[in-house]
Amino acid sequence: GQQLNQSPQSMFIQEGEDVSMNCTSSSIFNTWLWYKQDPGEGPVLLIALYKAGELTSNGRLTAQFGITRKDSFLNISASIPSDVGIYFCAGHPKKAEGGGATNKLIFGTGTLLAVQP
Amino acid sequence: SAVISQKPSRDICQRGTSLTIQCQVDSQVTMMFWYRQQPGQSLTLIATANQGSEATYESGFVIDKFPISRPNLTFSTLTVSNMSPEDSSIYLCSVEGLMNTEAFFGQGTRLTVV
Repeated sequence: GQQLNQSPQSMFIQEGEDVSMNCTSSSIFNTWLWYKQDPGEGPVLLIALYKAGELTSNGRLTAQFGITRKDSFLNISASIPSDVGIYFCAGHPKKAEGGGATNKLIFGTGTLLAVQP
Repeated sequence: SAVISQKPSRDICQRGTSLTIQCQVDSQVTMMFWYRQQPGQSLTLIATANQGSEATYESGFVIDKFPISRPNLTFSTLTVSNMSPEDSSIYLCSVEGLMNTEAFFGQGTRLTVV
């Protein structure tokens, strides 16, 4: 089945540093979503991407939908302690026949971010 | 985005017993989704619950183990049956946004089976 490979698996950075993580797939995706999960909570949607090449920002966060539709990245600028958490990419894969997306959401393996004040 | 409430938020259960998790949404939604997140792992879709029809299960998940109810457009339950320690996970309810692309999650139910 489809898989999303997310890297890095974990990051330990100093407050103020920029962060970059990415997600790749062997198949085409019609949407890319980025989530953050805090301990004991469900994932919270950060950014949604709908078109190849799309670059979208949400405060200090920027994400892009790769041109090939098989990858996406998330950047966090000037990290702060509350950025700590697990970040997941997710996407709707393209249906095998036709151009529509499936309803099934596939999640990446996650990136654990630790920020030292 | 929809407000999704799950109950219980956590539970510790004896092996061999069953637990029913409730998911309440503050607006009517066509599809509701149940995910499992094993310790330290990503999210895996268990099934899609549509009102008025049987749930659609993903590979590796069966109705006898994870029966789902969807009595109306704002409510669903997931039962974890005949539990074993391997069922210890976070179980998450999810609904789609207006664009049918974003997914919004409840806070999850942390289940520990002893």
